[in-house]
Amino acid sequence: NAGVTQTPKFQVLKTGQSMTLQCAQDMNHEYMSWYRQDPGMGLRLIHYSVGAGITDQGEVPNGYNVSRSTTEDFPLRLLSAAPSQTSVYFCASRQTSGGGTGELFFGEGSRLTVL
Amino acid sequence: AQKITQTQPGMFVQEKEAVTLDCTYDTSDQSYGLFWYKQPSSGEMIFLIYQGSYDEQNATEGRYSLNFQKARKSANLVISASQLGDSAMYFCAMREVGTGGFKTIFGAGTRLFVKA
Repeated sequence: NAGVTQTPKFQVLKTGQSMTLQCAQDMNHEYMSWYRQDPGMGLRLIHYSVGAGITDQGEVPNGYNVSRSTTEDFPLRLLSAAPSQTSVYFCASRQTSGGGTGELFFGEGSRLTVL
Repeated sequence: AQKITQTQPGMFVQEKEAVTLDCTYDTSDQSYGLFWYKQPSSGEMIFLIYQGSYDEQNATEGRYSLNFQKARKSANLVISASQLGDSAMYFCAMREVGTGGFKTIFGAGTRLFVKA
């Protein structure tokens, strides 16, 4: 089972460059989300989606763009990278129906450095 | 607005002893879920335990239990018989169910060190 797959795992960018972090899940989860993890700040929600064509902002959306054209994929775009976006990024998905705890299933993380 | 507070940046525990990691939360919703996740040094996020706001019993999963005190808005994680492999970062998280139940927010985390 692949679960949640993120690519790339590591990326170095220069200030002003753009890039896309890819996220794909094979569990048919309607809900997908992106977090960034910074020391001492836990995980902060960037954007989330409750289904194809539906996205919304989280706690720290500025500088990031998302779209959801399929159930499986939820890419995160950095349009003009800044050093403040140096972080570890996690994609997470969860089931939204059928009971259960609704725990998040995480990708392995993507470490981004912006110089 | 929902908020999670973990006041212990770091904790030490002797191997085989029990340890409690504190978590308090703030919400105006009556229906919510509380979660604990473990992040070892390898970086992956591992779901440990869940407590629903209407659950009357404290959740337990093996050596993990959640000490849920609703009136105090606390959801402390208790790890019994600590093992060296428990050394990791631990995050408390909450999802408000009543208001659409979409966002899960996290606390800042507690780093646990288990001493041999």
